[in-house]
Amino acid sequence: RKEVEQDPGPFNVPEGATVAFNCTYSNSASQSFFWYRQDCRKEPKLLMSVYSSGNEDGRFTAQLNRASQYISLLIRDSKLSDSATYLCVVNRDDKIIFGKGTRLHILP
Amino acid sequence: IAGITQAPTSQILAAGRRMTLRCTQDMRHNAMYWYRQDLGLGLRLIHYSNTAGTTGKGEVPDGYSVSRANTDDFPLTLASAVPSQTSVYFCASSERTGHLEQFFGPGTRLTVL
Repeated sequence: RKEVEQDPGPFNVPEGATVAFNCTYSNSASQSFFWYRQDCRKEPKLLMSVYSSGNEDGRFTAQLNRASQYISLLIRDSKLSDSATYLCVVNRDDKIIFGKGTRLHILP
Repeated sequence: IAGITQAPTSQILAAGRRMTLRCTQDMRHNAMYWYRQDLGLGLRLIHYSNTAGTTGKGEVPDGYSVSRANTDDFPLTLASAVPSQTSVYFCASSERTGHLEQFFGPGTRLTVL
């Protein structure tokens, strides 16, 4: 089993809809969690960190479920500009592990 | 410069040739990383450096070498390129190894023929 797994998608979602996707991790010793965004042919950029209590940044909400070992990203009122690949990142013992990403297409 | 830069932006290389990909950051970050990104395989760590003067092997180090003579520069060398090294290469840095945000360079698209 891979240490970090994501549904590759693509998720095709109409503009204005709410979309959510998860990322599972296999090692319970994982310590910190992040979501990165990568636009086509560009470098990954940090979207948000994921805190144990959950956190929100505008239309984006990230949550951590340690018991079930997954993190989630919810995007409300999706915009065309949200189209990208979303990478789940897990840190364990100073080792950074990237998921392969979930592709999101927002449809006009 | 601000942030992290890579050169060249893209390169086509004949198999067997030696190639060095350059990476420079001006954020005084201690940790630096080299990744390759291939369709369906995601980002894979090639080599990393926790601080100037030290380097370590990542997930896919074979065929690559790195050096970290100073804080700012972290070049990646392909001693004898092979077609399987065709990929997009990203350099990244962070304040220190571990929990903090990694900043990525714009990438180098390398094609080995």
